[in-house]
Amino acid sequence: NAGVTQTPKFRILKIGQSMTLQCTQDMNHNYMYWYRQDPGMGLKLIYYSVGAGITDKGEVPNGYNVSRSTTEDFPLRLELAAPSQTSVYFCASSFTRRDTEAFFGQGTRLTVV
Amino acid sequence: QQPVQSPQAVILREGEDAVINCSSSKALYSVHWYRQKHGEAPVFLMILLKGGEQKGHDKISASFNEKKQQSSLYLTASQLSYSGTYFCGTETNFGNEKLTFGTGTRLTIIP
Repeated sequence: NAGVTQTPKFRILKIGQSMTLQCTQDMNHNYMYWYRQDPGMGLKLIYYSVGAGITDKGEVPNGYNVSRSTTEDFPLRLELAAPSQTSVYFCASSFTRRDTEAFFGQGTRLTVV
Repeated sequence: QQPVQSPQAVILREGEDAVINCSSSKALYSVHWYRQKHGEAPVFLMILLKGGEQKGHDKISASFNEKKQQSSLYLTASQLSYSGTYFCGTETNFGNEKLTFGTGTRLTIIP
């Protein structure tokens, strides 16, 4: 059981470039989330999904896109990278939304220069 | 809307107790507590559902007052391993029902 796996662990992007942060889980969880964490700050919800084919915006969705074609995968797309998107990105999953814990991936540290 | 945590930071000597508070302006269904060590992912501690229950394991426990929309995390006889940043996450009764985290409380335990 790998849990929640994120790739890559580190990435440096130039302004205007695009990239996809990968997230996959092998626990058959319905709910998946993307958070960003700026230095010394809390976790801000970017997007979440309650099942394959269903996604919704969180608190800070601008500049990002997601898709959920399978239960296992929930990639996060940055189309035109900006310095404000420099952050650590965490993917998480849970079996249900309310009564169970969320398992987090190890994070992707993204720097936009 | 983000829950508010207090204090923002606390320094304790090993063996002392700490209380971390989490409050929301919205009615809550559940409160989650997580601990994050520096450079690592958040790790689950416990979930409290509405009903005013108290939970705990080892020397870490928490309470949930749904009428006041508040939760408190209690760390007793703190150990060095308790150091880290503690986050509460809340789910509301209404709206989009997403798990929203507070800004965190940094706990430092010194020998």
